[in-house]
Amino acid sequence: DQQVKQNSPSLSVQEGRISILNCDYTNSMFDYFLWYKKYPAEGPTFLISISSIKDKNEDGRFTVFLNKSAKHLSLHIVPSQPGDSAVYFCAASGGSGAGSYQLTFGKGTKLSVIP
Amino acid sequence: GAGVSQSPRYKVAKRGQDVALRCDPISGHVSLFWYQQALGQGPEFLTYFQNEAQLDKSGLPSDRFFAERPEGSVSTLKIQRTQQEDSAVYLCASSPTGTNYEQYFGPGTRLTVT
Repeated sequence: DQQVKQNSPSLSVQEGRISILNCDYTNSMFDYFLWYKKYPAEGPTFLISISSIKDKNEDGRFTVFLNKSAKHLSLHIVPSQPGDSAVYFCAASGGSGAGSYQLTFGKGTKLSVIP
Repeated sequence: GAGVSQSPRYKVAKRGQDVALRCDPISGHVSLFWYQQALGQGPEFLTYFQNEAQLDKSGLPSDRFFAERPEGSVSTLKIQRTQQEDSAVYLCASSPTGTNYEQYFGPGTRLTVT
């Protein structure tokens, strides 16, 4: 049972436009959400996070939105650049015990930014 | 400062061989995690250390998998009698604290069992 779902395996966007990557979760105990970027043959690199007490967090070109009632979060990249081409993973943690430190990941979305 | 490093980056093992994968976390990071990433999937939790104590090993797939962090810094993941289904990328991550904080990942070790 996938607790974190990224339903789009891939996304292509023109350079300069907005990229929107989506993520849904089912575990209502999750209260901390992260986005990681991964280039081939490298480990995931932390991008941005959001706590469940917020509905938006912004860092430069990257903004994460959280809709708790819909159990949905999204990552917006504006403007998109060719160097943003990578696989993006959504991850979540929360609750007590193991949930508080284990990260549960989605399967990732491959973003291609076309020059 | 230096990030998380892992060695070797690539390992090919014949089925039945034992392998040892090393992780050097970011200096001063209390928490260390191992994840396994199969092709086309997200990383999956294997085990968690806080300093030298292994607090959670619930994700280890079988008793052939063993992890240690004897001095609270470097960690080793050992896989005995490797099987083809063990082929994956093994990722190590560290964090200044354990809970609800970003984890910083190393480049991973790609293990191929033939």
